[in-house]
Amino acid sequence: DGGITQSPKYLFRKEGQNVTLSCEQNLNHDAMYWYRQDPGQGLRLIYYSQIVNDFQKGDIAEGYSVSREKKESFPLTVTSAQKNPTAFYLCASSTHNTGELFFGEGSRLTVL
Amino acid sequence: DAKTTQPNSMESNEEEPVHLPCNHSTISGTDYIHWYRQLPSQGPEYVIHGLTSNVNNRMASLAIAEDRKSSTLILHRATLRDAAVYYCILRPDNYGQNFVFGPGTRLSVLP
Repeated sequence: DGGITQSPKYLFRKEGQNVTLSCEQNLNHDAMYWYRQDPGQGLRLIYYSQIVNDFQKGDIAEGYSVSREKKESFPLTVTSAQKNPTAFYLCASSTHNTGELFFGEGSRLTVL
Repeated sequence: DAKTTQPNSMESNEEEPVHLPCNHSTISGTDYIHWYRQLPSQGPEYVIHGLTSNVNNRMASLAIAEDRKSSTLILHRATLRDAAVYYCILRPDNYGQNFVFGPGTRLSVLP
């Protein structure tokens, strides 16, 4: 079935370590997004990509990095520069035609 | 980015209709109105979207004001499974641009 797969679902890391969250989609969507969600809050955009080899910063890009080498994949690296990385991370994709967002199930990162 | 305003929370009884309002007074002529809902510890799920005309699908109806400065998501018969946070967002016509999510409306459905 078509969809978005995020992994891992749960991740623990020590302070000072970088961690990479995977996001893969087989929907043939051009646009992909990474959002962060803190408890009881809405979603905040970290990065988005409209096309392969191109991406733009969202509202809270500091301490994060992304790559878009393939249409299907948009991994997010949470670096040690991110001061408060503990959060729920959501990846999404959309077509150009309808703009409907398809979300993955999320990755919950906890920094110990 | 265009912003939306929604009530923080609403309550409904099971099997009754629910009207979830959203204000978007700064909407531009080419912004689409989208609604999503999110269950705890899950990614948001698409519900419905529209531009100017009212829209219906199997999940809900979307009523858009004539001046497009507000919209209402209508759940015709609320079930316990409809309890979620509902987000109203504006999607610019330029695909790939930022979808701005506010805190949404937390809908509680009482049995």
